[in-house]
Amino acid sequence: AQSVTQLGSHVSVSEGALVLLRCNYSSSVPPYLFWYVQYPNQGLQLLLKYTSAATLVKGINGFEAEFKKSETSFHLTKPSAHMSDAAEYFCAVRLYNNNDMRFGAGTRLTVKP
Amino acid sequence: DAGVTQSPTHLIKTRGQQVTLRCSPKSGHDTVSWYQQALGQGPQFIFQYYEEEERQRGNFPDRFSGHQFPNYSSELNVNALLLGDSALYLCASSHALRNEKLFFGSGTQLSVL
Repeated sequence: AQSVTQLGSHVSVSEGALVLLRCNYSSSVPPYLFWYVQYPNQGLQLLLKYTSAATLVKGINGFEAEFKKSETSFHLTKPSAHMSDAAEYFCAVRLYNNNDMRFGAGTRLTVKP
Repeated sequence: DAGVTQSPTHLIKTRGQQVTLRCSPKSGHDTVSWYQQALGQGPQFIFQYYEEEERQRGNFPDRFSGHQFPNYSSELNVNALLLGDSALYLCASSHALRNEKLFFGSGTQLSVL
């Protein structure tokens, strides 16, 4: 079955610094991969998705992620962190024609002034 | 355009009771998925409803059941509540033809005492 592992439950960066949130997946077939963000007391919002098109995926709010099949990774990056980026980030995987989306445990991003 | 709406926002029940949570999908969506998010964890897929039928189910016991109405809204029912059922319950809607893009509600926080 497909799964994702997020490395680091908590990441702290300074405002303006690079954001790197790590996600590795496990899947027997090419997967669909997603990054979601969750702000306090809110539902999840889709940041970006990979569905077997371009391996470098650009999302909202300046985030992007690169699908690397050889490393089974889908890390999320942003060149310059803003205070408003502080939130919980979830990586998720789903197989084509399967509605069971598997989420990682999440990474809490803190941005220091 | 209203997004995904869930009610109630908070609920307190005691062990053994039954609970019903409600979800109205985003306008234009016909598919509803339910997720359970325990504290400090990522969401876990409970089941998905389409055309008023359960299309797929995750690894949850039969105490968890659901329903979808002709207007696409949905209910999640949990019988014989256990302490471990305490969690944030998220509803996500999508369009059957664009199933990879889920829109989440803010959730119902269920506390079982």
